[in-house]
Amino acid sequence: DQQVKQNSPSLSVQEGRISILNCDYTNSMFDYFLWYKKYPAEGPTFLISISSIKDKNEDGRFTVFLNKSAKHLSLHIVPSQPGDSAVYFCAASASGGQNFVFGPGTRLSVLP
Amino acid sequence: GAGVSQTPSNKVTEKGKYVELRCDPISGHTALYWYRQSLGQGPEFLIYFQGTGAADDSGLPNDRFFAVRPEGSVSTLKIQRTERGDSAVYLCASSLSAMDTQYFGPGTRLTVL
Repeated sequence: DQQVKQNSPSLSVQEGRISILNCDYTNSMFDYFLWYKKYPAEGPTFLISISSIKDKNEDGRFTVFLNKSAKHLSLHIVPSQPGDSAVYFCAASASGGQNFVFGPGTRLSVLP
Repeated sequence: GAGVSQTPSNKVTEKGKYVELRCDPISGHTALYWYRQSLGQGPEFLIYFQGTGAADDSGLPNDRFFAVRPEGSVSTLKIQRTERGDSAVYLCASSLSAMDTQYFGPGTRLTVL
């Protein structure tokens, strides 16, 4: 029973275009969400977060959108660069807890 | 500065053996986390330390798994009577305090034959 789902195992995008990575969750108690990026043989690296009091958070080329009613969030990368090629994980927690639940990840390939 | 380090990077053991995995957090980070990542899955929370104490160990799968952080810095994850299903990458992360950004180490790949 996956509480955090990333239904696209992989995504390919042309350099310069927008990458949109999606994440759905089932637990309505989740109120804090993170995106991590992971390169091979390295640990995940924090990218951006959003709390449930917001519906958008932006940091440079990265924007996260949260739709609480749909229990859906998405990460937009604009413009995409070849160095963005990695596995992206969505993670969620409830009520300030440190018990983060991660999705299975989406492998992004940005083609030059 | 130095990031989170984990040793060994790879560990191969036989079913039934005991293993210890070590995590050195970023200096000054009071919070430390252990996760397990199986192939094709995201990291799965195991345990979280605030200082020396385990603040949340709800993710430990059974009593064969145990973790300590005796001086509030280095942590050791201990697995007794290993089983083939324990094979995974074990990730450690640390943060300055609870709710701060977690910084992950490169992980220890455990293979149980």
